[in-house]
Amino acid sequence: GQNIDQPTEMTATEGAIVQINCTYQTSGFNGLFWYQQHAGEAPTFLSYNVLDGLEEKGRFSSFLSRSKGYSYLLLKELQMKDSASYLCAVNEAGSYQLTFGKGTKLSVIP
Amino acid sequence: SAVISQKPSRDICQRGTSLTIQCQVDSQVTMMFWYRQQPGQSLTLIATANQGSEATYESGFVIDKFPISRPNLTFSTLTVSNMSPEDSSIYLCSVSGLGGGQETQYFGPGTRLLVL
Repeated sequence: GQNIDQPTEMTATEGAIVQINCTYQTSGFNGLFWYQQHAGEAPTFLSYNVLDGLEEKGRFSSFLSRSKGYSYLLLKELQMKDSASYLCAVNEAGSYQLTFGKGTKLSVIP
Repeated sequence: SAVISQKPSRDICQRGTSLTIQCQVDSQVTMMFWYRQQPGQSLTLIATANQGSEATYESGFVIDKFPISRPNLTFSTLTVSNMSPEDSSIYLCSVSGLGGGQETQYFGPGTRLLVL
């Protein structure tokens, strides 16, 4: 089975940088995903990490350390539209399924 | 990227009735999944829809309550049977095999169900 933990809520200021952490425990790791979900909408894919290190994609970056069972999503130059829930999801080896964390609700304030 | 659509987008149903939700993709995909997202909660996988065979259900979900069909590589249905207010939720289909990693899942817009 898998256990995925991320903070429930975070607040950050427009223009700032915020880091959302995710820790996981899994019997066989095959990749970690970050999704963004605005209220009332479906999740949208942000990033995929399967090797250690940082993946950068515009204002968003995602980091993975497999030995520590740890990932973070880094959002730079925050905008009001970044207010959303951010979901960490893990894929277990030998399966196409994703197990989702409970999500972190990010509020960006002026 | 593919276009994933769901019908209906929302519905209000009476207790004891059933609702069938459709998920259509505009290209062939390897895997299709059905999730439930209850208010304020994260996503819970109901089942994997297998093309040409019975769906694979997760713990806590059974075929009698959530029958699933997948007649081809672009279409699937989920039925919520004998509904109760506890079934009020968002139901999401997702697909993988579109790139970004074989296991990356892309979600349909969801079906918002309210059971009275």
